[in-house]
Amino acid sequence: SQQGEEDPQALSIQEGENATMNCSYKTSINNLQWYRQNSGRGLVHLILIRSNEREKHSGRLRVTLDTSKKSSSLLITASRAADTASYFCATDNSGYSTLTFGKGTMLLVSP
Amino acid sequence: EAQVTQNPRYLITVTGKKLTVTCSQNMNHEYMSWYRQDPGLGLRQIYYSMNVEVTDKGDVPEGYKVSRKEKRNFPLILESPSPNQTSLYFCASSLSQGREQYFGPGTRLTVT
Repeated sequence: SQQGEEDPQALSIQEGENATMNCSYKTSINNLQWYRQNSGRGLVHLILIRSNEREKHSGRLRVTLDTSKKSSSLLITASRAADTASYFCATDNSGYSTLTFGKGTMLLVSP
Repeated sequence: EAQVTQNPRYLITVTGKKLTVTCSQNMNHEYMSWYRQDPGLGLRQIYYSMNVEVTDKGDVPEGYKVSRKEKRNFPLILESPSPNQTSLYFCASSLSQGREQYFGPGTRLTVT
C-alpha cells in the first residue's frame, strides 16, 4: 500500500487558535489533496497541490508540500467550532491509477 | 446541482443475500470509485473505473463486483455478503484520474 499517514491522529484546540496537521507519504506523487469529513458523511475536497508547487492558500487554509521530505502540512488559521471534523490527505501516486488516502486526523475545536 | 448519489443510505441484511448499492453522478465524470471506511483503517479503495466498460481492482476487491455500462452509473454488487463486509461505503467521481474527487453521502451496510 502507498498509503499516506497523517499526524497527529487527534488534535483538540480552542476556537481562534491555529490547527496544523501533517501528512507523510512514501512514493513519488503527481499531486496531494486534502479532504474534510464531518462525522459519518462523505468527504469534501478542500485543496489540491501539485508536485511542482510548494505552497497553496484557500481562504483560511494553507497547504505546504515538501517533496524532498515526502510530506505536506495543512494549516487552518483562526479555527472555528464548525471546523470540527476529520481531515485526510490523499496522494495521486505516479504510476498508479488510484488516489490513496491516509487514516486521517480528527480535529476538535471547542468554543 | 452537481452531486453523487448513493442508494440505499442504510441497509441491514443477512449473510449470503445478494445486494447492490447504486451510485450515480451527474457531472459527466470519467473516473468513478468505490471505497469502504472502517474504524482505524481509514478509507480503502475497492474498485475503480477510468471510463465506460473499464474497471479495475483497488486495494480490497475480494467479495465485490462492479460494472460501468453507462458513464453516470457505477453500482457495487455484493454477491454473497459476509459480516466482515459490514462497513461504511462511499462512491466518488472525478473528471479524470488524479483530480479532486466528489463523494456521495455514504451507505452504511450491516451484514448479520
